Amino acid sequence: EIVLTQSPGTLSLSPGERATLSCRASQSVSSSYLAWYQQKPGQAPRLLINRASRRATGIPDRFSGSGSGTDFILIISRLEPEDFAVYYCQQYGSSPLTFGQGTKVEIK
Amino acid sequence: EVQLLESGGGLVQPGGSLRLSCAASGFTFNTYAMSWVRQAPGKGLEWVSIISGSGDSTYYADSVRGRFTISRDNSKNTLNLQMNSLRVEDTAVYYCARGHRAYSGYAGYYFDYWGQGMLVTVSS
Repeated sequence: EIVLTQSPGTLSLSPGERATLSCRASQSVSSSYLAWYQQKPGQAPRLLINRASRRATGIPDRFSGSGSGTDFILIISRLEPEDFAVYYCQQYGSSPLTFGQGTKVEIK
Repeated sequence: EVQLLESGGGLVQPGGSLRLSCAASGFTFNTYAMSWVRQAPGKGLEWVSIISGSGDSTYYADSVRGRFTISRDNSKNTLNLQMNSLRVEDTAVYYCARGHRAYSGYAGYYFDYWGQGMLVTVSS
């Protein structure tokens, strides 16, 4: 099983700042099959990124993903008020499907 | 517009059973794999089970295999999760999610649409 470790656990930033979230895998993720999701309190997760860097439909271009192998990054270039949420990575390169434990982006 | 609406959650005693359903609309249901993902209170996401579009193939996380059964009724655009021998640690919000296929194989899915979630509480 691939274990995904996200860091930091919590990121305290101000609107307009840049957020850099990390997702590290315990073994290589095949073909960069890694997705990122955003979850706000009381809501379902929302797909942001698939295949490490491909934005999902309707996702603003301030969200970008990169990485390969075991190290992946989600960047929010300039935080908007609606971006403060918890972010999860998920690998779908090998079974079983696994998620990271999440990074909370909170208002400083 | 894709919509996924779960139902059937609630409070059940340890060892009991519960059946969740997810009504899907806005897409051709039988062409997509469907999955259940859960989230314990204050915790992260955990994949539970997935079923192919035809319903012929099913897969489970080790934590629920042998206790949970995923199924679908393509004539009614409905996804189900039969949960037996429930444990306290099964307490969670259960989401149904549409699987977007990246490659052949049950692990080759990410989730592009999610339901609003349904709380299952296992407690005496």
